Amino acid sequence: DQQVKQNSPSLSVQEGRISILNCDYTNSMFDYFLWYKKYPAEGPTFLISISSIKDKNEDGRFTVFLNKSAKHLSLHIVPSQPGDSAVYFCAAPAYFGTGTSLTVIP
Amino acid sequence: KAGVTQTPRYLIKTRGQQVTLSCSPISGHRSVSWYQQTPGQGLQFLFEYFSETQRNKGNFPGRFSGRQFSNSRSEMNVSTLELGDSALYLCASRRGGADGYTFGSGTRLTVV
Repeated sequence: DQQVKQNSPSLSVQEGRISILNCDYTNSMFDYFLWYKKYPAEGPTFLISISSIKDKNEDGRFTVFLNKSAKHLSLHIVPSQPGDSAVYFCAAPAYFGTGTSLTVIP
Repeated sequence: KAGVTQTPRYLIKTRGQQVTLSCSPISGHRSVSWYQQTPGQGLQFLFEYFSETQRNKGNFPGRFSGRQFSNSRSEMNVSTLELGDSALYLCASRRGGADGYTFGSGTRLTVV
C-alpha cells in the first residue's frame, strides 16, 4: 500500500512560469516531508523539507506547502528553468512517492 | 566528506542463490534505508534502520532481510534469488529530522 502518492506522472511547464508538483500521504504520524530531484542515471538528491508542525517552507525558487488536514503537500518552483527538468519525488521520510517527471520548455 | 558507499557495484547471481549487499553511510548518519529501483516501479522501500534497530519495513517477502551494525554500516541480504529480483539496490543515509537522505550509487544485481 503506497503511503505516499504522486498522482501526476508528468508535468510540462513553460520557462519562467510556475511549476506545481503535488503529493498526498496516508499516515498522519509522519513528522517530516521531503522533496528530492532526480536526473537520469543518478540517485535522488535532497531538495527541501518541511516539518509537520509548519505549513510552508521556502528556499530560493522552491517552496513547499503542507496541508495536514488534507494530507497533501505541494512543491512550487518559481520561476521554472530548463535545468529544473527532472523527476521529483516526495518522501515521508523513508517512504517515497512514484515521482513526477517535470519538463520545463524553453 | 565521503559519501554513501555501496559494494559491490555490480553483481551477477544465479536463481536460487543468496546475496549480501553492503552499505557504509556518511559518518555521523545513523539512519540507513534501502530501496529497490526498477524501471517500471520507481523507488520501492525495503527497510529503514536507526541505531541498529529496524524502524520500518516495506512490502517485500521475507527473503529480503537486513541489519545495521554499531558503526551504522548496513547489510542487506536476499535469499533464494528470483529473476524478478534483478534491479538497482540503493542505500541512503541521513542524520534524521529535517535532513534528507544522501544516496549511494547503488548495487546493480542481475539474476540469471
